Amino acid sequence: GAVVSQHPSRVICKSGTSVKIECRSLDFQATTMFWYRQFPKQSLMLMATSNEGSKATYEQGVEKDKFLINHASLTLSTLTVTSAHPEDSSFYICSARDAERGGTEQFFGPGTRLTVL
Amino acid sequence: GQQVMQIPQYQHVQEGEDFTTYCNSSTTLSNIQWYKQRPGGHPVFLIQLVKSGEVKKQKRLTFQFGEAKKNSSLHITATQTTDLGTYFCAGPYGFGNEKLTFGTGTRLTIIP
Repeated sequence: GAVVSQHPSRVICKSGTSVKIECRSLDFQATTMFWYRQFPKQSLMLMATSNEGSKATYEQGVEKDKFLINHASLTLSTLTVTSAHPEDSSFYICSARDAERGGTEQFFGPGTRLTVL
Repeated sequence: GQQVMQIPQYQHVQEGEDFTTYCNSSTTLSNIQWYKQRPGGHPVFLIQLVKSGEVKKQKRLTFQFGEAKKNSSLHITATQTTDLGTYFCAGPYGFGNEKLTFGTGTRLTIIP
């Protein structure tokens, strides 16, 4: 149980293009999902909290117009990196909580490695 | 804001030796969680500790939550090659304690 998928697993794009990353909870409903960014050999940094049916809340320093989040259903959240530039290259990971379990632990997707040329 | 630090940053151990990573939070935590991330992989939840002074064991792994609920430790007895990876502690914060601040992580390398 508590499986989270992410697609694509890897993407290479040209500077200036937009990239959409999907995060799905496969066997549970997730009213809240989280998007993290991880640079090589560093810790996870929370970017934003995605709430089903409402606007995402962004952490300080994260540009909401740059990183668009949509949480259209209880099992799907998307992150769109708009007008990507080389400095946006990173490992993006989503996670979700299974509210029915009652705990605060998060279940992570396999991540998306973005490379912007 | 809340900061969570871990030491050491890196640890290389001979297979069979013990390993310990320490986690310290700048604020009191309602609970502490531990995750393991293999190279190239994603974090996987290991355990959650809630009570002051709590100790939990998972086979060769022993987790401890400090009395003041600001620090924690993970001890692995007789490491195996499958233990390699980065171990993160994480403390909740925010409305409903639903967000997590991840520690700086300890990268464990096992020497066969």
